[in-house]
Amino acid sequence: QKEVEQNSGPLSVPEGAIASLNCTYSDRGSQSFFWYRQYSGKSPELIMFIYSNGDKEDGRFTAQLNKASQYVSLLIRDSQPSDSATYLCAVNTGKLIFGQGTTLQVKP
Amino acid sequence: GAGVSQSPSNKVTEKGKDVELRCDPISGHTALYWYRQSLGQGLEFLIYFQGNSAPDKSGLPSDRFSAERTGGSVSTLTIQRTQQEDSAVYLCASLAGGPRDTQYFGPGTRLTVL
Repeated sequence: QKEVEQNSGPLSVPEGAIASLNCTYSDRGSQSFFWYRQYSGKSPELIMFIYSNGDKEDGRFTAQLNKASQYVSLLIRDSQPSDSATYLCAVNTGKLIFGQGTTLQVKP
Repeated sequence: GAGVSQSPSNKVTEKGKDVELRCDPISGHTALYWYRQSLGQGLEFLIYFQGNSAPDKSGLPSDRFSAERTGGSVSTLTIQRTQQEDSAVYLCASLAGGPRDTQYFGPGTRLTVL
């Protein structure tokens, strides 16, 4: 079992819809969780981080963490074509481990 | 500097040659990570430094790979006797040090082994 798992996608949503990206992790001792966005040919850039169970909102983005079920998700409301990218989930287990990423396509 | 810098941005080399990749972290950041990303793949952890020491080098794929960090700042990743499967983007990231700190990525070095 991989330490951090994501569905590779692609996940396709129409413009204005909610995109839901999911990630599961194996290490129950993980302390912090991050979502990065990576455009093709570019480096990852941080979108959200979350440490505590529950929801954390920042603009159109909401991160959700459920430590008991060992999953973390990212919701993108009012999706825009510019949100089309690969979204990487990262979990700090003492070192930062990344999932394979989910490709999101937002269609106009 | 304002961000993490890496050099060179692109490196084309012949199979069997050695290459050296450099990372300049954000000033004051104590932790530094190296990752490798092959085309269409996720980030593969290689090694991480806390200060000048490497508590975890478990991701280095073979003994052809080595890394060092000096002065708690610049790090170099060396690949000896390069192979075609070493072709990838090598990314460096730094953070201030704690487990809740954010990693900031450099632009990467694209390595092509012919």
